[in-house]
Amino acid sequence: EAQVTQNPRYLITVTGKKLTVTCSQNMNHEYMSWYRQDPGLGLRQIYYSMNVEVTDKGDVPEGYKVSRKEKRNFPLILESPSPNQTSLYFCASSLLWDRQETQYFGPGTRLLVL
Amino acid sequence: KQEVTQIPAALSVPEGENLVLNCSFTDSAIYNLQWFRQDPGKGLTSLLLIQSSQREQTSGRLNASLDKSSGRSTLYIAASQPGDSATYLCAVTSGNTPLVFGKGTRLSVIA
Repeated sequence: EAQVTQNPRYLITVTGKKLTVTCSQNMNHEYMSWYRQDPGLGLRQIYYSMNVEVTDKGDVPEGYKVSRKEKRNFPLILESPSPNQTSLYFCASSLLWDRQETQYFGPGTRLLVL
Repeated sequence: KQEVTQIPAALSVPEGENLVLNCSFTDSAIYNLQWFRQDPGKGLTSLLLIQSSQREQTSGRLNASLDKSSGRSTLYIAASQPGDSATYLCAVTSGNTPLVFGKGTRLSVIA
C-alpha cells in the first residue's frame, strides 16, 4: 500500500531533550516536506527536500533540522525542544518537485514538550 | 506573500443539503490549488487538484471550481452525508513554496 508513515505518533518530552521524528514513504517520491499545525495558525511548512541531499527552509524552520540521505526517509530533528514546539507535525511527499503534483500526507505526530 | 483565506470557519448543515465552501487567495499567479480533507486526529487526504489552466474538477459528489483572476475557489458538496463531517482545507502552490494552506472550514453534517 502506498503510504507515508511517521513515528512516533505521539510523544511527550521535556525541554532540551533531543528527539527525532521519522518519516518514510514507499512511493519513490522525490519531494518531501514537514509541516506543523497549530490552532488558529493552520499548517505551516518547516523544511522541504526536492531530492536526496537537497533540503531547504520553509516558513518556520527555527529550532528544527532535517536530513535527506535516502530518497524514502526524511527525519525531523529537534536538537533542543522547547514548549513552543508543542504541535501536530505532518510529513508529506509528492512524486517530483513539480508544482502540478498531488501531495500525500502522513498520519501526523502529536508532540508535547514540557 | 501568498495568503489563503477560507470562509466560513465552521458550518453545520442537515443531511442531504448541498453546500459550498469558499477559498480565496491573494496572489493569482498560482500553479495549482488543492482541496484536502482532515478528520480529527488524522492526516490530510487530497480530494481534488485543479491545475492553473483548469476551471473545475469533479470527483463523485464533489466539484471544485477555480477562478484564478479573482483569486477564488469553491468546493461544492452535493447531497451531504454525516460521513462528510471533517475539516476541509484549501491550499495553493505558487512561487517557490509548494503549498500555502488556509485555516480550514470545519463541516458538521447532522443526521
